[in-house]
Amino acid sequence: DVKVTQSSRYLVKRTGEKVFLECVQDMDHENMFWYRQDPGLGLRLIYFSYDVKMKEKGDIPEGYSVSREKKERFSLILESASTNQTSMYLCASRGDRGPNTEAFFGQGTRLTVV
Amino acid sequence: AQKITQTQPGMFVQEKEAVTLDCTYDTSDQSYGLFWYKQPSSGEMIFLIYQGSYDEQNATEGRYSLNFQKARKSANLVISASQLGDSAMYFCAMREAYFGKLIFGTGTRLQVFP
Repeated sequence: DVKVTQSSRYLVKRTGEKVFLECVQDMDHENMFWYRQDPGLGLRLIYFSYDVKMKEKGDIPEGYSVSREKKERFSLILESASTNQTSMYLCASRGDRGPNTEAFFGQGTRLTVV
Repeated sequence: AQKITQTQPGMFVQEKEAVTLDCTYDTSDQSYGLFWYKQPSSGEMIFLIYQGSYDEQNATEGRYSLNFQKARKSANLVISASQLGDSAMYFCAMREAYFGKLIFGTGTRLQVFP
């Protein structure tokens, strides 16, 4: 069974803290994505990676960075958390086995910055 | 820049009736893919259906069909014979050809009533 696992379901952090959100997939997928989901705004792409050590900015990369040192793991880093980064964060992965290959999602991490 | 637009924040439909969820997209790519996902209140993202830009036939998967009108850049989801379990958020997404970047719309909340 395919699996994308996010390290935490709920997280509470203080303003200014450095926050790491971890995502692991067991499907040997080339592509991995980080989104944030906010009511009325849908899923907005923060960063994605199409290979190990490769990354591309999405639509809202400001205040975030990412790391992909191994194929199965894609980390999202909030360098200095702020209250406007309180959100639901979704990780996804997708293989390159054909154009119709769908993305698989983790269960999400609800981050609250206080 | 690529963009997905879902203009219906919310839709209501009676059980057993058909419903169309609108999606328009903007891209300069010739090759791209369009996806629909369902997100129930539990939060998981469930892949429903895919349409490739070169596919001449509209995609169908059970009660789901995709009304693809390439010239109008629309990819509407049609759910036939709605069920109470279809109540959820529905997201339209587009994959670009080059890096496989996957972007989403703002979503439509569908509520099915008896």
